[in-house]
Amino acid sequence: DAKTTQPPSMDCAEGRAANLPCNHSTISGNEYVYWYRQIHSQGPQYIIHGLKNNETNEMASLIITEDRKSSTLILPHATLRDTAVYYCIVREYGYGQNFVFGPGTRLSVLP
Amino acid sequence: SAVISQKPSRDICQRGTSLTIQCQVDSQVTMMFWYRQQPGQSLTLIATANQGSEATYESGFVIDKFPISRPNLTFSTLTVSNMSPEDSSIYLCSVGRGQETQYFGPGTRLLVL
Repeated sequence: DAKTTQPPSMDCAEGRAANLPCNHSTISGNEYVYWYRQIHSQGPQYIIHGLKNNETNEMASLIITEDRKSSTLILPHATLRDTAVYYCIVREYGYGQNFVFGPGTRLSVLP
Repeated sequence: SAVISQKPSRDICQRGTSLTIQCQVDSQVTMMFWYRQQPGQSLTLIATANQGSEATYESGFVIDKFPISRPNLTFSTLTVSNMSPEDSSIYLCSVGRGQETQYFGPGTRLLVL
């Protein structure tokens, strides 16, 4: 079973920041938080991951609370192409560790 | 990242037949994974395929139904055997990149009539 809880759906206006929350209250010390997204009819796309520090790359920022029980994925300037299902996954670091996908959040970016 | 291709991209098959899906990666990888995504559902791991060893199947998936080959470090196949309409899904392969993450192929969309 997935170790995360996400809202089933969210809307965001084009050009605005999209903030996608994720709860992972049972996360253990050696587990990372990963974010993937799946645009309709495509394979999941890796976005970002982190352990306890906030992370930023060209796609998004990941904010992890100090207690690590929740996190937020931020898309700073959402576009229509960001409409997708976003998956928050908790996973141990290491070879062969599985990714367990929950239902994710369906983000709709509106014009 | 890794560039991953799958063949076929989609197919329509008759019940009782079998389909072999191919996954090709642009570089050598140790770990390859096969997932299933049923209509309207999230992804479910079928098995992990390492080169030179037997695939490891998740609970609910068996080798007779989903035989997997892993002949080298850039290629794997998944066969869906004796298909029924319940096997209609998207089948995805992914590769492990180091210890950190996985990258996914575009998927194979299967419809069984």
